[in-house]
Amino acid sequence: DAGVTQSPTHLIKTRGQQVTLRCSPISGHKSVSWYQQVLGQGPQFIFQYYEKEERGRGNFPDRFSARQFPNYSSELNVNALLLGDSALYLCASSGDSQETQYFGPGTRLLVL
Amino acid sequence: GNSVTQMEGPVTLSEEAFLTINCTYTATGYPSLFWYVQYPGEGLQLLLKATKADDKGSNKGFEATYRKETTSFHLEKGSVQVSDSAVYFCALAGYSSASKIIFGSGTRLSIRP
Repeated sequence: DAGVTQSPTHLIKTRGQQVTLRCSPISGHKSVSWYQQVLGQGPQFIFQYYEKEERGRGNFPDRFSARQFPNYSSELNVNALLLGDSALYLCASSGDSQETQYFGPGTRLLVL
Repeated sequence: GNSVTQMEGPVTLSEEAFLTINCTYTATGYPSLFWYVQYPGEGLQLLLKATKADDKGSNKGFEATYRKETTSFHLEKGSVQVSDSAVYFCALAGYSSASKIIFGSGTRLSIRP
């Protein structure tokens, strides 16, 4: 079975631009979470979606938004990019018990 | 709020040495505890987990025991290999927010042949 997939793998943007990152969960998983990992630090929780509804939000500005589609895939949008948004963005999916999360390979975003 | 503190790296060991990476946590209630590993250029992989006090998680020769009395979840391995070189993250998930994982800052491990 395929694991969590994310696209694109790498992305370069300039300050002020907008970016959309995509995630497909493991088949059968209805929960998707997004994390930001700045170089040299642990991942920080951004959002969780379950059954297309937002179930949790971390301490991130309103420039960050997300949604989940009927097939449980998800998009993370970041508007008005700042240099500090440069990071590895990780998506994780989990089953109904939500006990264990499985991470994708991430999208590495560089903002110049 | 909930938090995780793990020993700072980098940690450099020779092959076949004994490994301990310390991790302590602060949480209300009874969180689940995890160790994740991140190999160079890759995403996070779940290494092991424990969901209640005194549980021992184990995988690939690594072990960690959920110690509620000391709020710790130290990672150990009896004999490390070069292929164990990676960044290791201790993490917790609260009972009421299982999908919001709180990670430590990570410990970079390098193993010399």
